[in-house]
Amino acid sequence: EVQLVESGGDLVQPGGSLRLSCTASGFIFSSYEMNWVRQAPGKGLEWLSYISSSGSLIFYADSVKGRFTISRDNAKNSLYLQMNSLRAEDTAVYYCARDASLGLWGQGTLVTVSS
Amino acid sequence: QPVLTQPTSLSASPGASARFTCTLRSGINVGTYRIHWYQQKPGSLPRYLLRYKSDSDNQQGSGVPSRFSGSKDASTNAGLLLISGLQSEDEADYYCATWYNDAWVFGGGTKLTVL
Repeated sequence: EVQLVESGGDLVQPGGSLRLSCTASGFIFSSYEMNWVRQAPGKGLEWLSYISSSGSLIFYADSVKGRFTISRDNAKNSLYLQMNSLRAEDTAVYYCARDASLGLWGQGTLVTVSS
Repeated sequence: QPVLTQPTSLSASPGASARFTCTLRSGINVGTYRIHWYQQKPGSLPRYLLRYKSDSDNQQGSGVPSRFSGSKDASTNAGLLLISGLQSEDEADYYCATWYNDAWVFGGGTKLTVL
């Protein structure tokens, strides 16, 4: 089955760090560009970061630039998002999404930033 | 002014058609961009519906019925999502998005009520 499964969401204190993972199955992960997108409670979709299929090209939204780092391990069919200096406004469901149309989404993982 | 602007809500009757608009900011020509559309039901992950740039550059998402279609209105600089034969199960939030200046940009979403 073609799918993406996120993990690593948790309750973390402001200023803390968290690493999210997205594991792909059912398709050739190394052939696809990937993205992270989040959705705060009751809000719309917000794109965070892009990584090319090889990992050589990376882009970030201004809201997370300098705090979040995207990476991937094609041998492990996995995408990552290292999140540092977390703030209350980073509380959201975090999704990984595949390809140039965001054509496949994971089910999301919840990150709550609160003291 | 946001890059993509969507009305917050839309209502239509079962069996009727619904027309969603996604207006690009002044100075950004809709003819240049692929407009992507996503459906999100409460508590669920976003689902890719389709993308449309022109009649020769468009794509239907896997398993998406043909009653969902894309178009553009150059006169209003907007991408369009058209749903014909509305069903109660179409009630959801609909987001448009495009790749702009090395970033994915989402519209704020339109909530469709089928009544």
